[in-house]
Amino acid sequence: SQTIHQWPATLVQPVGSPLSLECTVEGTSNPNLYWYRQAAGRGLQLLFYSVGIGQISSEVPQNLSASRPQDRQFILSSKKLLLSDSGFYLCAWSVQGETQYFGPGTRLLVL
Amino acid sequence: SQQGEEDPQALSIQEGENATMNCSYKTSINNLQWYRQNSGRGLVHLILIRSNEREKHSGRLRVTLDTSKKSSSLLITASRAADTASYFCATDASSEYGNKLVFGAGTILRVKS
Repeated sequence: SQTIHQWPATLVQPVGSPLSLECTVEGTSNPNLYWYRQAAGRGLQLLFYSVGIGQISSEVPQNLSASRPQDRQFILSSKKLLLSDSGFYLCAWSVQGETQYFGPGTRLLVL
Repeated sequence: SQQGEEDPQALSIQEGENATMNCSYKTSINNLQWYRQNSGRGLVHLILIRSNEREKHSGRLRVTLDTSKKSSSLLITASRAADTASYFCATDASSEYGNKLVFGAGTILRVKS
């Protein structure tokens, strides 16, 4: 069966520090991968999606970047965090692009 | 921008009652999906309805889709306290490189026991 992992679960970082959030998927090959951000009490905003290794599409201009160094690994990064980067970050995967399966999320607090 | 908009924003009912949540969207879609999120957790897929379908059932869930009105509804029958969660609709905005989902802001459902 397929599983998706995200870590860390919670992160508190100072403004201006770098960020690296990791997402890995097991049990499937060549998945579409997605990064979302969810502000408190709000819906999900799609940040990045990827249909293959090295193929990243950015949805909104921002302080973040994404990379896909391996088929089942998706990394969200920042060189310098802003206060506005705080939120709940969710990774998801899909095959054939329909139903998406979400990871447990990472709660990021930038102080 | 968010395409799906849920209504109401929050809903509080007694256990055993039915809960109805609505979703409206703006553009043509391939399918519409409903997801559930428990507080502080990831989203869980509930049901997918395609643009050529009008109604779909899954257990205590019933989803309708009216493409002429660009709206959908999710009905949870005989609600339980464990149904307490946020519910999101998501529309399939297909792109050349893979399908993307556009989520609404969600409905917070509280079922009181």
